[in-house]
Amino acid sequence: AQKVTQAQTEISVVEKEDVTLDCVYETRDTTYYLFWYKQPPSGELVFLIRRNSFDEQNEISGRYSWNFQKSTSSFNFTITASQVVDSAVYFCALSVMDTGRRALTFGSGTRLQVQP
Amino acid sequence: DSGVTQTPKHLITATGQRVTLRCSPRSGDLSVYWYQQSLDQGLQFLIQYYNGEERAKGNILERFSAQQFPDLHSELNLSSLELGDSALYFCASSVDGWGTDTQYFGPGTRLTVL
Repeated sequence: AQKVTQAQTEISVVEKEDVTLDCVYETRDTTYYLFWYKQPPSGELVFLIRRNSFDEQNEISGRYSWNFQKSTSSFNFTITASQVVDSAVYFCALSVMDTGRRALTFGSGTRLQVQP
Repeated sequence: DSGVTQTPKHLITATGQRVTLRCSPRSGDLSVYWYQQSLDQGLQFLIQYYNGEERAKGNILERFSAQQFPDLHSELNLSSLELGDSALYFCASSVDGWGTDTQYFGPGTRLTVL
């Protein structure tokens, strides 16, 4: 079975601080995909990134960066110089190529509050 | 804007009633997924359709059913509604049916059962 753990329920930072959101996953599959989604107060789920299990290169997109480490089964997300607009709930998710389980398994989410 | 549309945005109904939620996938996407987001259960997968056929089932109650039509839009039917069915229901779409492609989510339908 697959499992995603986001141990940080809520994080509060002051604008311009860096913040890292942790994600630990469990799967027996060797081929899998990891995702991050953002859910702002308006409620929609916004796709941020997708990585496959064979690509451990870190990725940077503007103020966002992701650190994928298979050795620790982690896929952490860092926001540099946080802004008030980053305030949202962030979900880490996992999918595997299993014929019976093709959907995303989500973590419980981390609520990020960025104070001005 | 993800390109996935869902209607209605809000729905308020009474226990015992039946409702239908509608989803139109992004242009070119063949797969539609339904998820339920509630405070106690988090985001849970309900069911997936690919090109009109059911592909995978998650934690979907027997009172709930779905279908995908030839034009690829999908409907989620919820019947004999209970207070605990109050939640945000999301539809997502992707190009393939393997579940590993990126799923793009619609804005959701917030269902309130009174």
